[in-house]
Amino acid sequence: DQQVKQNSPSLSVQEGRISILNCDYTNSMFDYFLWYKKYPAEGPTFLISISSIKDKNEDGRFTVFLNKSAKHLSLHIVPSQPGDSAVYFCAARNQGGKLIFGQGTELSVKP
Amino acid sequence: DGGITQSPKYLFRKEGQNVTLSCEQNLNHDAMYWYRQDPGQGLRLIYYSQIVNDFQKGDIAEGYSVSREKKESFPLTVTSAQKNPTAFYLCASSIEGREGSRNQPQHFGDGTRLSIL
Repeated sequence: DQQVKQNSPSLSVQEGRISILNCDYTNSMFDYFLWYKKYPAEGPTFLISISSIKDKNEDGRFTVFLNKSAKHLSLHIVPSQPGDSAVYFCAARNQGGKLIFGQGTELSVKP
Repeated sequence: DGGITQSPKYLFRKEGQNVTLSCEQNLNHDAMYWYRQDPGQGLRLIYYSQIVNDFQKGDIAEGYSVSREKKESFPLTVTSAQKNPTAFYLCASSIEGREGSRNQPQHFGDGTRLSIL
């Protein structure tokens, strides 16, 4: 049972445009959500997070939006840069405090 | 610099052999975690530990064992009972567990890729 889903395995965006990565979840009790960025053969790097009591959190070029009624999380990157090319994982924390990860979306930013 | 160190980066195991993956952190984090990543899948939790001398099974603990004798160290042993051990193994840590540290992210090491000979 996949509780956190990233339905797009890949996304290609032109440099300077907006990248929108999406994540859907099924458990309304998740209380904290995170986005991680991962390069090949490296560990994930924490990008940005949001508590379930908020609907938006912004950090520089990165903004995370949370729509609790739709059980949907999105990450916006504006403007996109070639160095943003990586695999992005969303994760949600359950009642037991464990993180549940999505399958990842590979973002490619073309110059 | 503070961080999480996993070693070795690449590891090869013969059939029927146990191997131990190292994970050390100098971030003074209470909680440590082991995940496994397979192609096209998210990270799946193997074991976690919120405090020294205590650990719990994650979602896919069968065929693995851990110990937490020191705060800084959380080694993972992949036993011969693990039928499909080839994967990318990631160790993480977080402050989580201390009062007032509820919403803190997990930080990851650079992983160990385990392959079967």
